[in-house]
Amino acid sequence: QVQLVQSGAEVKKPGASVKVSCKASGYTFTSYYMHWVRQAPGQGLEWVAMISPSGGSTNYAQKFQGRVTMTRDTSTSTVYMELSSLRSEDTAVYYCARGVPSTVLTYFQHWGQGTLVTVSS
Amino acid sequence: EIVLTQSPGTLSLSPGERATLSCRASQSVSSSYLAWYQQKPGQAPRLLIYGASSRATGIPDRFSGSGSGTDFTLTISRLEPEDFALYYCQQYGLSPGTFGQGTKVEIK
Repeated sequence: QVQLVQSGAEVKKPGASVKVSCKASGYTFTSYYMHWVRQAPGQGLEWVAMISPSGGSTNYAQKFQGRVTMTRDTSTSTVYMELSSLRSEDTAVYYCARGVPSTVLTYFQHWGQGTLVTVSS
Repeated sequence: EIVLTQSPGTLSLSPGERATLSCRASQSVSSSYLAWYQQKPGQAPRLLIYGASSRATGIPDRFSGSGSGTDFTLTISRLEPEDFALYYCQQYGLSPGTFGQGTKVEIK
């Protein structure tokens, strides 16, 4: 079965960077784009970024341009999201999510368990 | 980007009642690329409906989706105790994909 397992919670100071991982299993890693969606405490869902695991091309939400970087390691079926210049408003649960094969714009069939990133001085 | 507005913000109903949730888009959603998710506290969202009206695998048939263009509806025909949760719509027809702000279905 499809599993997306994310790294553990992080606490960072303002201005620092955080790197969150998502390890995929149970399917052909290179056939599905992987996305990151975040949810601030008590708030709704916000799409952050996506990556093509096969070619490595990326697409980022405009509000995160310049601060977010997605990478992948096909040898371990893992994707990473690094967010820099952290501010308190970045405190959120970050989810990796997978859609349908070879489709950039997609609904999300599978989600990781979420990683809480807390930005606090 | 397309803005999705969900209404009502909170729906207070009793088990066995019918729930009707609305999602309105700021512009037409192409090819009915509209999905619905359920989220419970401390959990990741769970896909319910995609393509406006197709149920995801394992979703009970009391959940149904309808609509096109700018107006979409999620209906829960008879609320079960496990259906009290947050519900989000998402459009994936135009980049960037966007979500509504959510509707909370609570026990009356």
